[in-house]
Amino acid sequence: GENVEQHPSTLSVQEGDSAVIKCTYSDSASNYFPWYKQELGKGPQLIIDIRSNVGEKKDQRIAVTLNKTAKHFSLHITETQPEDSAVYFCAARSEDSSYKLIFGSGTRLLVRP
Amino acid sequence: NAGVTQTPKFQVLKTGQSMTLQCAQDMNHNSMYWYRQDPGMGLRLIYYSASEGTTDKGEVPNGYNVSRLNKREFSLRLESAAPSQTSVYFCASSQGGSNQPQHFGDGTRLSIL
Repeated sequence: GENVEQHPSTLSVQEGDSAVIKCTYSDSASNYFPWYKQELGKGPQLIIDIRSNVGEKKDQRIAVTLNKTAKHFSLHITETQPEDSAVYFCAARSEDSSYKLIFGSGTRLLVRP
Repeated sequence: NAGVTQTPKFQVLKTGQSMTLQCAQDMNHNSMYWYRQDPGMGLRLIYYSASEGTTDKGEVPNGYNVSRLNKREFSLRLESAAPSQTSVYFCASSQGGSNQPQHFGDGTRLSIL
């Protein structure tokens, strides 16, 4: 089955710097890759997603890139702000199990003012 | 705009007690999911319901049962709680089908003594 690895587990950046979180997946049939942000005491919230027919997607300060050949995808946050501090999860879903998301173990991002 | 609502938010049980976690969504979604979240392990799928009237096992179904009561509601039952089931439980819903995002509730924090 699908396995998703996420790195780093913790990331500390200065406000205004960029942050990059990377994930690799094992199932070459995976075709949908969402990213979630989880704040303390809350459920995960979808912040951006990408489908396998696209290499990059942007939404303001957030971007996701996908390399299908290498089976990895990354979240890029530019001009980080203190409110970006949270835990971020990547996930992958296979074509042959379209209802199941497999999540990475999470990255705790701290943006220092 | 409630989205996905989970009750209760917190619960403490003794080993061997039973409990039902409730989840309701008001987005007219077809699919619903139950996850558990443990430190350093991301979210793991317990059970899911692709549509009203169907349920299927996820990655970690042992010790749990589910009921899709109607299109809005999906409950998770622990028949005989064990300390290993201490976790944060999240319910999610999606429109269903390939590449549809999942929307999460804010979780139930369950401790089993």
